[in-house]
Amino acid sequence: GENVEQHPSTLSVQEGDSAVIKCTYSDSASNYFPWYKQELGKRPQLIIDIRSNVGEKKDQRIAVTLNKTAKHFSLHITETQPEDSAVYFCAASLTPTGTASKLTFGTGTRLQVTL
Amino acid sequence: EAGVTQSPTHLIKTRGQQATLRCSPISGHTSVYWYQQALGLGLQFLLWYDEGEERNRGNFPPRFSGRQFPNYSSELNVNALELEDSALYLCASSWPGAGTEAFFGQGTRLTVV
Repeated sequence: GENVEQHPSTLSVQEGDSAVIKCTYSDSASNYFPWYKQELGKRPQLIIDIRSNVGEKKDQRIAVTLNKTAKHFSLHITETQPEDSAVYFCAASLTPTGTASKLTFGTGTRLQVTL
Repeated sequence: EAGVTQSPTHLIKTRGQQATLRCSPISGHTSVYWYQQALGLGLQFLLWYDEGEERNRGNFPPRFSGRQFPNYSSELNVNALELEDSALYLCASSWPGAGTEAFFGQGTRLTVV
């Protein structure tokens, strides 16, 4: 089955700096890659996703890049703010047309934005 | 529109007992996923139900089981509870179809003493 590795496990950046979280996946057929943010005591929520027919996607201060050849994808957060502090999970899934699929999550990255 | 709801919010059980956790998906969602999140660890996949059938299960012992009802709600049962089963159990649901977002419930915090 799919295996997703995520690095680093913890990341501390100063407010205003950029943060990058990297994930690799094992199943070359995977074609959907969402990122979830989980604030302390709250449920994980989708912040951005990318599909395998796209190499990069941006949403304000957040961007995700995908390298299908190398089987890795990354989350980039620019101009970090204290409210970006949370645990971030990457995930991968294989989604045959017309059916749902199982998300395999990475182990998570605890991002701490310091003042 | 109501989100994914889970009950109970907290559950305390004694080692060896059974626990039943419940999940109601968002209306229209047919897929329900269960994940275990132990303290300080990531999201470990437990079970996936779609259209009433178990589609996949993670690397957990058979004492973790569940089912999905005709209204797409789901139950997770954990038999012969062990101390290491203490964790946050998250349910997520999604629309049928390729590459759709999974929405999470708030979780059930299971404590085994």
